Amino acid sequence: NAGVTQTPKFQVLKTGQSMTLQCAQDMNHNSMYWYRQDPGMGLRLIYYSASEGTTDKGEVPNGYNVSRLNKREFSLRLESAAPSQTSVYFCASSENTDTQYFGPGTRLTVL
Amino acid sequence: DQQVKQNSPSLSVQEGRISILNCDYTNSMFDYFLWYKKYPAEGPTFLISISSIKDKNEDGRFTVFLNKSAKHLSLHIVPSQPGDSAVYFCAASGLGGGSNYKLTFGKGTLLTVNP
Repeated sequence: NAGVTQTPKFQVLKTGQSMTLQCAQDMNHNSMYWYRQDPGMGLRLIYYSASEGTTDKGEVPNGYNVSRLNKREFSLRLESAAPSQTSVYFCASSENTDTQYFGPGTRLTVL
Repeated sequence: DQQVKQNSPSLSVQEGRISILNCDYTNSMFDYFLWYKKYPAEGPTFLISISSIKDKNEDGRFTVFLNKSAKHLSLHIVPSQPGDSAVYFCAASGLGGGSNYKLTFGKGTLLTVNP
C-alpha cells in the first residue's frame, strides 16, 4: 500500500517549456488535490477533484491545468512554465473526511 | 487575506519540555481543524484533528485545544522529543459533510527540539 505517489521527484525546466506532474493514489479515495508550497507561504491549493470526472479551481489556478484520468490518477500540467512556478508541488487525496493524505512532493525549478 | 494564521515562524524548546504551537483563524464557517507535521523533503503527514463541537482532543503526547470564541487553537506536545523537530501546519475546513473537503493552511511553524 504505497499511499500517494508522485513523479517525478525533481524537474528543471526552461521558461516556456511544458510538463505534466503525475499523481496516483491506491487508497480508493474520491477526492484529490494539487498544492504548491513556497517559502513562507504555507500550502496553497491549485486545483482539486471532488470525484472522478470533476475538477475545480483552488486558490492559485492560473498557469495550470489538471486532468482526473480515473479514480486513482490526477495530473497537473504546466503548458508554458514561468519562473514564478518554481515551487514544491504536493498531491493529496481524501475520502469523505477532512483528513488529506499527501504524496512526497515534486521539486520544480523553472529557469 | 489570511484566514488561518500561525504567527510564530519558529519555536525552540528543550527536550522533555512542553511545546505549544498556536494558530488563529478568521473565518467563523470553519468547523474542523487539523495539524500536519512536515519533515524536509517529505510530504506533510496528518497528526491530529479536532471538530468544532469539541474543545480538546488528545492522542498520546499530542493534544489540540480549540477556543471557538477566540477563534484560536493550539497544539501541545508533551514531552517534546528531538524527533518532533519539523514544520507544523495548522489547517481548517468549513465543508464538513460535503463531498469535497478543501483545507486552508497556515504558513507553518518550525519547531526545533534541542537535546
